[in-house]
Order: sequence, then C-alpha cells, then structure tokens
Amino acid sequence: DTEVTQTPKHLVMGMTNKKSLKCEQHMGHRAMYWYKQKAKKPPELMFVYSYEKLSINESVPSRFSPECPNSSLLNLHLHALQPEDSALYLCASSQRGVSYEQYFGPGTRLTVT
Amino acid sequence: DAKTTQPNSMESNEEEPVHLPCNHSTISGTDYIHWYRQLPSQGPEYVIHGLTSNVNNRMASLAIAEDRKSSTLILHRATLRDAAVYYCIPRPYNQGGKLIFGQGTELSVKP
Repeated sequence: DTEVTQTPKHLVMGMTNKKSLKCEQHMGHRAMYWYKQKAKKPPELMFVYSYEKLSINESVPSRFSPECPNSSLLNLHLHALQPEDSALYLCASSQRGVSYEQYFGPGTRLTVT
Repeated sequence: DAKTTQPNSMESNEEEPVHLPCNHSTISGTDYIHWYRQLPSQGPEYVIHGLTSNVNNRMASLAIAEDRKSSTLILHRATLRDAAVYYCIPRPYNQGGKLIFGQGTELSVKP
C-alpha cells in the first residue's frame, strides 16, 4: 500500500471556526510533512515531523497547529483562519533521509469565508 | 538552499522524447537531485532522483552533468498523461529531508 489518504477532500470554514485536516499512511514511514499550495504556485513546506516529533516549522502562523498522534497519522488543526489561507493543503510521508522519495496525498481544498 | 532554473513551459508531441532541463549551479556536493511532477488536480508524484550518475527507472531517465550544475529529465515517449508541472529539486542532506519546490516547467503534450 503506497497511498497517503487525506480527509476531507474539500472544506469550507468561516474565520471563527475550528476545524482539522487529517492525513494517514500505512507505509511505515517515520517522516511526515504538511505543504500549502496556492493556485498556480508550487507547494510550500509548512511542517516536518520526524519520529512523531516536530522537527521543522517554516515560520507558519500559530493559527495552524500540527499534531502527530502516532506514526501513521498527521493532523493539522485550524483556528481563526483568514481568507488568504484558502489553498490546497498537501500531506506527504517518506522514509527518513534525502535519498528517499516523498509520497503525497491528493490534498484538502480549503476555502475560508 | 540551492536555487533552480527551469523553463516556464515546454511543449511536446505525443510519442516523442522530451528533455526537461534544470540548472542548479549552487548545488552542494551532497545534495541529491530529485524530480517530481504534479498532474492537474493531484498531489505531486515522485519521478526519479540521483546524486552523480545517470539514473533510469520505469518512468524516466535522469542525466546529471559531470559538474552537477545541471540535470535533464528525459521522458522517452511522451503520452498525454505526462502533461504536468515538472519540478527539479536539489535536496540537502542536512535539512531534515525537506523538499523546496521551485516554479517548475509546465509540460503540455499534443496528440
């Protein structure tokens, strides 16, 4: 199974809502990633988890809160977002190390109203 | 992070070879060169990677210049399904394995 799944596929939320994005993989990967992608732009790295610990935070605003409850799951908790946070949120996983490829999920399309 | 330069767009005919170039003149000696592609409405997909030697897999070939300042992704027979944005990414060994995407090359394939 080489699949990364993400739920929900689409999400519309107001600026005062709290919501969560979920990502799951069963490939035994110990590195997991969140990326944000605006329309017609490349993906931008947000967070990296290694062995369930946050190892990289690319200066992401605190209204985005990642969580890695176990080696298969990665969540992104959203609170008080702005309309400019509307984007495609991509999750990925890989073995640790730069010679390994990352497997991406299909993404969650988020719209903030 | 090493900077990359790729053409914004390229066009190919179906069943013809495609050579997608990438310049990465500031690459360090330990950076792997990764290529990913993103088909419309999908997440990125790994294509191939290499360090110094040319590499082949079922999807493509990767030709790396001897000085490692450039590389070329080769699709041997383009199909309509190969229409995507192709990203060339030097990946540093000491930065947690993160991928930093550049602008990429948008490849269109004509039937």
